[in-house]
Amino acid sequence: EPEVTQTPSHQVTQMGQEVILRCVPISNHLYFYWYRQILGQKVEFLVSFYNNEISEKSEIFDDQFSVERPDGSNFTLKIRSTKLEDSAMYFCASSEYRYGYTFGSGTRLTVV
Amino acid sequence: AQRVTQPEKLLSVFKGAPVELKCNYSYSGSPELFWYVQYSRQRLQLLLRHISRESIKGFTADLNKGETSFHLKKPFAQEEDSAMYYCALSRTTGTASKLTFGTGTRLQVTL
Repeated sequence: EPEVTQTPSHQVTQMGQEVILRCVPISNHLYFYWYRQILGQKVEFLVSFYNNEISEKSEIFDDQFSVERPDGSNFTLKIRSTKLEDSAMYFCASSEYRYGYTFGSGTRLTVV
Repeated sequence: AQRVTQPEKLLSVFKGAPVELKCNYSYSGSPELFWYVQYSRQRLQLLLRHISRESIKGFTADLNKGETSFHLKKPFAQEEDSAMYYCALSRTTGTASKLTFGTGTRLQVTL
């Protein structure tokens, strides 16, 4: 069964540093998403991406965040200057249509 | 605004007992509802969606628009059902959709 692959599985970074979280969506999928889950809290929508542009972003997705599909296969989430409160599990997802997500296994980001 | 409520953080049942994980939603439009399962730090996996009305691993869920509920049920719990369960509501915005998750219920099945 096709999978969404996320790397790294765990990243530790210093506050103020830039991080890039990487995702390889399923190859024929057209919609891409990032969600995050702060420890003990619910999964929250960050951003959706379609046709090489952001479709929708949440209030969380401020100017510190950006997404990119640099080479037609990877889908990245960049946090420019990490804060302690960015520590969370970040999930990438993709879908062929508007629904029917497949999630990746997540990247645990720890900001120290 | 859309909201999904899962009132129980933890539900502990004995093996073979019936299970009902509660989910209530608030949404002004026509909802698309899903149940996702997360086994022990693994990825979120789609368990059910109300449109397909199918049964996966013995679980079923019926959308009750009058009560705005989408409870997940299974007649006989198995040990391997122990996991985190998330109810989610999908809203299509622009060209893509967006899931709003509940806070999740941890199901613990004991012998």
